[in-house]
Formats: sequence, structure tokens, C-alpha cells
Amino acid sequence: QVQLQESGPGLVKSSETLSLTCTVSGGSTTSYQWTWIRQPPGKGLEWIGHMYYSGSTYYSPSLKSRVTMSLDTSKNQISLEVKSLTVADTAVYFCARAAYSGYVEFWGRGTLVIVSS
Amino acid sequence: SYVVTQPSSVSVAPGQTANITCERNNIGRKSVHWYQQKPGQAPVLVVYDDSDRPSGIPERFSASNSGNTATLTISRVEAGDEADYYCQVWDSSSDHVYVFGSGTKVTVL
Repeated sequence: QVQLQESGPGLVKSSETLSLTCTVSGGSTTSYQWTWIRQPPGKGLEWIGHMYYSGSTYYSPSLKSRVTMSLDTSKNQISLEVKSLTVADTAVYFCARAAYSGYVEFWGRGTLVIVSS
Repeated sequence: SYVVTQPSSVSVAPGQTANITCERNNIGRKSVHWYQQKPGQAPVLVVYDDSDRPSGIPERFSASNSGNTATLTISRVEAGDEADYYCQVWDSSSDHVYVFGSGTKVTVL
């Protein structure tokens, strides 16, 4: 069974850069889509972006200018950076594995990131 | 269009049927996927590719997609079905954008 575990700081300051890592166990990162999704407290799901082993990366148009994803297959890890943070970036951040037809099969448990002003 | 519309809430009595809609222009041309999310938990896939169920998801969960509306149907609703439900489409033809619906809170009376 594939398992994903997000890690990173729970509290960051406005204007700083958030760095999160997702460690994958029970499967390889050399296939499938690797995806980041976030959920502000009490709100719905928001897709951040996804990438493939090939390096092809796609980001949400609303976040594209501030987001970078990367994949380290040697460590079976996916990383997310979000720069120029504001309080609106406060959310639970999920990493996930998606099938090639675009649905999420496996989710991490999520990590809460609070951006303080 | 990146907007997918769901009703904010649906209430249903135990044993009855809940229908949750997901609307977008020509959504029938896309594959629609559905997730269930309970408080404090990650979402769980309950339907993929319009109407397929992952292993372990009860047959009570079914779905359809045609025209401008996709629908998730929960038959013989149980108390444990109370959760938020999200539809999702993937626009693989342009920006590869994932679009989530706004979510529907299902309350079991």
C-alpha cells in the first residue's frame, strides 16, 4: 500500500518561503502524477500543481508565479516551495499520488501550515 | 471554464437516497471523480472515471455524468456517510488543471 507523509514547518511568517517535503513509501516515484493540494481551514480543496517523473510540471494559474515543485526519485520524495507567503496561504497541505487519468488514488494525511502576519 | 458548482448542503434521512450534483458547461465530455472527506481526515476517492468504484467502496455509491451535470448518488444512506463530498475534473487538454467543486456537506438527519 502506498503511503505519503508530508513534513515541514507548521508556522511561517508572511513574505517568507514555505518548503514542504512529501516522503513516499510502498511505491516508486518513477511513475504516476505527484500532486499537491491544499485546503484552507473550513474551506474546500484547491489544486496547487502536479508533476511527472519526466519533469513535466503543471501549476494552478492562480499560484503559478509563486510555486515550484520538484521530485527526488533517489529519496522517493516530492517537494513544494511557495514563496511570498500571505495569511491567505494558511491551509492544510496534502501531497498525493494521482493516476494518469487525473484522479487522486492516495493522499497523505496533510500538514497544517499557518502563515503569521 | 475552471468553475464547477455543487450545492453547499444536502440533508437526507437514514435509509433514503442522497443525490449530489456537480455542474459545469459540457462536463459530460470530461471524466468526473468524487471524494468523501470526513472532519480532520484526508479525502477518500469514492468514484473515478464518472462511475467506477475503487475496491472497498460500497455499491451504495454510484455516479453518472452527462451533458452539463454529473451526479453522485448514495443509496440507503447511513450515519457514517455524513461528510463533505467533492467532485473533480482534470482538464488534460489545456493547462492540465485539476478543478475541484466547491464541496457538498451531506447531513444525515
